[in-house]
Amino acid sequence: NAGVMQNPRHLVRRRGQEARLRCSPMKGHSHVYWYRQLPEEGLKFMVYLQKENIIDESGMPKERFSAEFPKEGPSILRIQQVVRGDSAAYFCASSTNLAGGAADTQYFGPGTRLTVL
Amino acid sequence: GENVEQHPSTLSVQEGDSAVIKCTYSDSASNYFPWYKQELGKRPQLIIDIRSNVGEKKDQRIAVTLNKTAKHFSLHITETQPEDSAVYFCAATFSGGYQKVTFGTGTKLQVIP
Repeated sequence: NAGVMQNPRHLVRRRGQEARLRCSPMKGHSHVYWYRQLPEEGLKFMVYLQKENIIDESGMPKERFSAEFPKEGPSILRIQQVVRGDSAAYFCASSTNLAGGAADTQYFGPGTRLTVL
Repeated sequence: GENVEQHPSTLSVQEGDSAVIKCTYSDSASNYFPWYKQELGKRPQLIIDIRSNVGEKKDQRIAVTLNKTAKHFSLHITETQPEDSAVYFCAATFSGGYQKVTFGTGTKLQVIP
């Protein structure tokens, strides 16, 4: 059973460009979470999604950032007009489903290291 | 919302000694408490978890205790080894709902050979 997949693993963008980060959850998982981590810092929650639904986006900046988890395909975190402060590691996690579909244990992907020049 | 505090932020121990990391949470509805280990440049990995219907859980050299009344839980690592050096994150959530997981700020553990 493949784990959580993220691509690309490293992404370099110039200021003003767009960054698209992809996350494929573990097979059978329907909950996806995105986190941002700066060097030597903790995991900052950004957004929690289920298939075709945003459950909680309280940690995501209102401007330039968006996320989706379509019925088919991976979850996408999109950052428009990137700035140097967006440089960070972005981790995706997916969680197991309990009976009834609610979320349980989270498993993390390897992360995408975004560098903005 | 839930708030998780974690202490200490850094911890140095001699190889073979024990290490204890403590967390407190604020939401009495939280019922699931996982711990993650993150090595430098790697993803956070689940090492142990505990649910609110038990007070203690062990897995080899790692144990977690939970005090629901006081709303705190702890990670205990015995006979520490250099490969235990990493950042450890505690977390709390309500499992069975549609709530995000709230993480602590992390503890950087250094095991000195």
